[in-house]
Amino acid sequence: KAGVTQTPRYLIKTRGQQVTLSCSPISGHRSVSWYQQTPGQGLQFLFEYFSETQRNKGNFPGRFSGRQFSNSRSEMNVSTLELGDSALYLCASSLVTGNNEQFFGPGTRLTVL
Amino acid sequence: QKEVEQDPGPLSVPEGAIVSLNCTYSNSAFQYFMWYRQYSRKGPELLMYTYSSGNKEDGRFTAQVDKSSKYISLFIRDSQPSDSATYLCAMSAALNDYKLSFGAGTTVTVRA
Repeated sequence: KAGVTQTPRYLIKTRGQQVTLSCSPISGHRSVSWYQQTPGQGLQFLFEYFSETQRNKGNFPGRFSGRQFSNSRSEMNVSTLELGDSALYLCASSLVTGNNEQFFGPGTRLTVL
Repeated sequence: QKEVEQDPGPLSVPEGAIVSLNCTYSNSAFQYFMWYRQYSRKGPELLMYTYSSGNKEDGRFTAQVDKSSKYISLFIRDSQPSDSATYLCAMSAALNDYKLSFGAGTTVTVRA
């Protein structure tokens, strides 16, 4: 069974630009969560989508947004990029059958110059 | 104070030693506890998943949860150089609550 896939794996942008990251969950998984990982703050929850609806949201500014499609694939968007947005963005998927296991993808490493 | 505290290490042990990792937390609502392993420049890999208090063993790995002390542990027996990685604890409060709170991660090196 294929794992969680994320594209692109690496991305370089400049301040003020916007970026869209993509995540394909494990087949059959209906929940997709996004996390930001930085050396200083560690792993921080961004948001979670289930059945195309955002169910939960972390403490990030409105520049961070996401969506989920009917096939459970998800995208996250960051507008007006800042230097501090440089991070590893991780997507995790879950089966939603009575446990809280989440399986992570390899991440997209975003560098903002 | 962070919701989940984890000593970032680094921790260096000889091959074959027992690795002991732990996290403390402040939110008494946490019921679901996970340990992830993350190799450099990779995504976290789920190692252990436990619910509420108690022990769980899987091969060389043992996870312990003591909710009364708000303390969780992971033990790695017969450690191997391939166990060298960052180990992250994570937890959540409710079933199907996918908002995980993570510890900072402990970097472990197993010396051959």
